[in-house]
Amino acid sequence: KNEVEQSPQNLTAQEGEFITINCSYSVGISALHWLQQHPGGGIVSLFMLSSGKKKHGRLIATINIQEKHSSLHITASHPRDSAVYICAVGRANFGNEKLTFGTGTRLTIIP
Amino acid sequence: DTGVSQDPRHKITKRGQNVTFRCDPISEHNRLYWYRQTLGQGPEFLTYFQNEAQLEKSRLLSDRFSAERPKGSFSTLEIQRTEQGDSAMYLCASSLGLGRETSYEQYFGPGTRLTVT
Repeated sequence: KNEVEQSPQNLTAQEGEFITINCSYSVGISALHWLQQHPGGGIVSLFMLSSGKKKHGRLIATINIQEKHSSLHITASHPRDSAVYICAVGRANFGNEKLTFGTGTRLTIIP
Repeated sequence: DTGVSQDPRHKITKRGQNVTFRCDPISEHNRLYWYRQTLGQGPEFLTYFQNEAQLEKSRLLSDRFSAERPKGSFSTLEIQRTEQGDSAMYLCASSLGLGRETSYEQYFGPGTRLTVT
């Protein structure tokens, strides 16, 4: 079993829909990261969180440390949100925050 | 542009050849990471530098792989005697880390896509 599991693997939705992507992990972490990867490979960091909830524009990320679970929500989804969303967990150890990644959720928003 | 840069963006090589990739991190960042991503998978950790010191290497990094960060600024990743299984996207990331047990946001470069024929 992978240390970081994401669901769903693929998600197609209509423009304007509310989107939820889930991430579960099985190890102790120092922080959880949500990343966005567009075709061509570039990765952008969306959130880094270790507790509670963060919001940036139409994106909301939550984490439940006890349940080892995080969700990424997108409100009023738009075709430009189409990308692969990757959950990664970090375990800080003597300054090395090695990230362990999920396999990603491919999101497609249809106009 | 003050982000993380990688060169080249694409590399096609024949099996058995050596290749070298370069990563230039954000200038004030002391931590630098190399990751590898194969098609349809999430990235996997390869190695980590704090300043010029290489502090951790994944078991994925066979003897054919070597990474350096000679002056604590840019880094190079060399693959010797490339194999078809080395075909992947090689990603570099950097962060500014001040604490030993604290998480910091990592900034990723655009990646170098390697194809071994």
